[in-house]
Amino acid sequence: GAGVSQSPSNKVTEKGKDVELRCDPISGHTALYWYRQSLGQGLEFLIYFQGNSAPDKSGLPSDRFSAERTGGSVSTLTIQRTQQEDSAVYLCASSLSTGGWNEQFFGPGTRLTVL
Amino acid sequence: AQSVTQPDIHITVSEGASLELRCNYSYGATPYLFWYVQSPGQGLQLLLKYFSGDTLVQGIKGFEAEFKRSQSSFNLRKPTVHWSDAAEYFCAVGADEAAGNKLTFGGGTRVLVKP
Repeated sequence: GAGVSQSPSNKVTEKGKDVELRCDPISGHTALYWYRQSLGQGLEFLIYFQGNSAPDKSGLPSDRFSAERTGGSVSTLTIQRTQQEDSAVYLCASSLSTGGWNEQFFGPGTRLTVL
Repeated sequence: AQSVTQPDIHITVSEGASLELRCNYSYGATPYLFWYVQSPGQGLQLLLKYFSGDTLVQGIKGFEAEFKRSQSSFNLRKPTVHWSDAAEYFCAVGADEAAGNKLTFGGGTRVLVKP
């Protein structure tokens, strides 16, 4: 079946612009996670959703970052007023739920470059 | 807070030789431990996981890992390396269910395979 998909695969933007990154999880997966992979910070957790709610936003680097999930499916990560330090690969993962332990399946990522 | 250390940033190994990647973790309770592989341009793929029970776990692609509580380690091994094993490998510890099972990753080890 289809895996986790993310769009766009690459995004180049100018400093100060807003960007939206999209994640389509595997059908039926209620848990969705956003991670960021950057040269300086490695792979770091940003936020997760169980259904449409986000119990843990602790990893969001600043208030310029926000995420939402509607209909228990697609999620959008929005970065406002982008800065050069936001350049990274943003990875999305989904799993059946957060109850018990279920494997997280990762998407191919969106590479964001802020000029 | 949980943390993961991968002491080796790069490892070069000859094809046909054995491989061992080191991982040390810090976590207050019984950890959920994972190894992921990321091939160039690809997303993260789960190689294996440890939750409880037998401390030697088998994964895909001929990999295995051993959990040693006394050493807080979860080292990854492969007896015979193939050129296709060239990739970056990430060790991760999973938070418990109450924390949404989010993953904390090590910095990664890049494996180069010499012919």
